Parts: sequence; C-alpha cells; structure tokens
Amino acid sequence: QKEVEQNSGPLSVPEGAIASLNCTYSDRGSQSFFWYRQYSGKSPELIMSIYSNGDKEDGRFTAQLNKASQYVSLLIRDSQPSDSATYLCAVPSYNQGGKLIFGQGTELSVKP
Amino acid sequence: EPEVTQTPSHQVTQMGQEVILRCVPISNHLYFYWYRQILGQKVEFLVSFYNNEISEKSEIFDDQFSVERPDGSNFTLKIRSTKLEDSAMYFCASSETRISGNTIYFGEGSWLTVV
Repeated sequence: QKEVEQNSGPLSVPEGAIASLNCTYSDRGSQSFFWYRQYSGKSPELIMSIYSNGDKEDGRFTAQLNKASQYVSLLIRDSQPSDSATYLCAVPSYNQGGKLIFGQGTELSVKP
Repeated sequence: EPEVTQTPSHQVTQMGQEVILRCVPISNHLYFYWYRQILGQKVEFLVSFYNNEISEKSEIFDDQFSVERPDGSNFTLKIRSTKLEDSAMYFCASSETRISGNTIYFGEGSWLTVV
C-alpha cells in the first residue's frame, strides 16, 4: 500500500514568518508531487507541483523535493492569516487509473 | 477559468435511500474521478473513469456505488442504500490526461449527510 505521510499539526506561526510543511512518501518510483490547499469545508486547490529534485519557487511558495530521502516540503514565506488552511500533499499512483494518494494534511494557523 | 461543477452542494438523505451526485467536468478533460472526505479525515480516492468505463476503483467503491456518464457533459455517482458511514464530502475531479504530471481539478464538493 503506497503511503503519503504528513504531520497533522496544527502548525502555528506568527504573521510574516516562514511556515514549513513536510511530507514523506513510500513509493520510490513516484515522479510527480502536488501540494493542495484546503480551506475548511472547501475543495482542494492546487498550489504547487514539483517533478525534479531541488527547489521550485512560485511567489511566496517554495516546494522542495528530495527523491533519495523520499521527502517533499512546502515553504510559505511571509505567512499571512489568509494562508491558514490545511495543506495536502498528494502523489500520483501510476496504475492505469491515475489516482492521487493524499496525505492526511497539515493544518496551518497563521496568527496576526 | 474553466471549472468542475457539482450538484447538489448539500444533500440530506435517510438511511437506505439512493443518492445521485452530479458533476460537470471541464469540457476538454478526458479523465474523471470521484473522491470522498469524511469529516476530519483524509481525501480518499473512490474511482476513476475514462473512455466510458472505470479505469480504477478503490476498496471503498463496492457494489453500493456506481458511476455513469449519461451524456456528453455529466458524470454521476450513484450511492444505493445509503448508510450512516456514507456521510462525507464527495468531490468530483477531472484532468486532461492521465495524471502523470498533469493537474487534477476538483469541484467544490457535494456534502452528503445520511440520517
């Protein structure tokens, strides 16, 4: 059974700080990784994807991938109260159906 | 921006009743999915659908569940004889190709409450 693991949190950071969210995955063959943001009662919203080892930056968000350690992280710089949400790490399964396997999510709270 | 739309947004049903959740995927997408999320738990895959047939289904997707694409735009999830534990948010999603590097877009969800 392929697994995606995240610390459930909650992770609390002050406004303006860097929030660091972590995810590990079990399938060494995984090639692509996604971070979704989910506000309470809402659907997952894609914020970052990463396919290669190293860092990928998009605005205040940076995704970091280390395939050797089977580890992917998301950094949020200059955290805002509006960033308060649950962040979901997702890894595709490469069966024919192409489903996403989600972690349990990390709840982030940014305090003003 | 194109989006996946779902109806109803919220449905309350009595245990044992049948429920149909409806979805309109993004128009040029070819792969369709249903996921569910029980309150406080992780998002779980139910089923994927391509070329008018199921591509993959999870252990959750037993004989109680079925999917259909009745016309060129709608994609439905039918839950027969609902149980209390079927209470969850059900998300429809679609993608242009099989996911390998491709983005899955989620609808806003249908919240099902079984009483």
